[in-house]
Amino acid sequence: AQRVTQPEKLLSVFKGAPVELKCNYSYSGSPELFWYVQYSRQRLQLLLRHISRESIKGFTADLNKGETSFHLKKPFAQEEDSAMYYCALSGMDSNYQLIWGAGTKLIIKP
Amino acid sequence: SQTIHQWPATLVQPVGSPLSLECTVEGTSNPNLYWYRQAAGRGLQLLFYSVGIGQISSEVPQNLSASRPQDRQFILSSKKLLLSDSGFYLCAWSVLRRAGNEQFFGPGTRLTVL
Repeated sequence: AQRVTQPEKLLSVFKGAPVELKCNYSYSGSPELFWYVQYSRQRLQLLLRHISRESIKGFTADLNKGETSFHLKKPFAQEEDSAMYYCALSGMDSNYQLIWGAGTKLIIKP
Repeated sequence: SQTIHQWPATLVQPVGSPLSLECTVEGTSNPNLYWYRQAAGRGLQLLFYSVGIGQISSEVPQNLSASRPQDRQFILSSKKLLLSDSGFYLCAWSVLRRAGNEQFFGPGTRLTVL
């Protein structure tokens, strides 16, 4: 079955501490993985995708096919990182529709 | 550039009343269109998607329906609202590519059914 799991509904860390938002997936083929973010009172938007191998706002995510994970990481959290984060995958088996995780609310404490 | 609009931004409706939420996209042709419901702690639930005019796929059985009367217009409707229809509704569009499917989201509509 195709599935995206974000085990943490809520993650709270102090400013300056490292952040890791976990995402695991179940997919039979070769998926494309995404992280979307929704800041307070803003639209849900794409943060990054694994195929781009880029760092956005200091965040990176590496696709680990062996562990079927796509964790989102940032070495030093900033208060403006507080938001709702969703992991999602897309692939041929899902007819290229996005399969979404339940989301993790990240709170950065000052 | 492409933009997506949703209205109204907020809506309070009594149980049993009808519903019509509208979504329009500008700056692109033949987009895939999506309606989602976003619930706290439950993530994004895909309700409907459309790959073309008059083509609607329903992901979950429910009290809602969707229509696509024009290429860039997507409407979410209900004949009689239930309390459980309360939520935050998001419209999104994408252009399907073999390499993936980035979706672009509207601002959402907060629906409260009383």
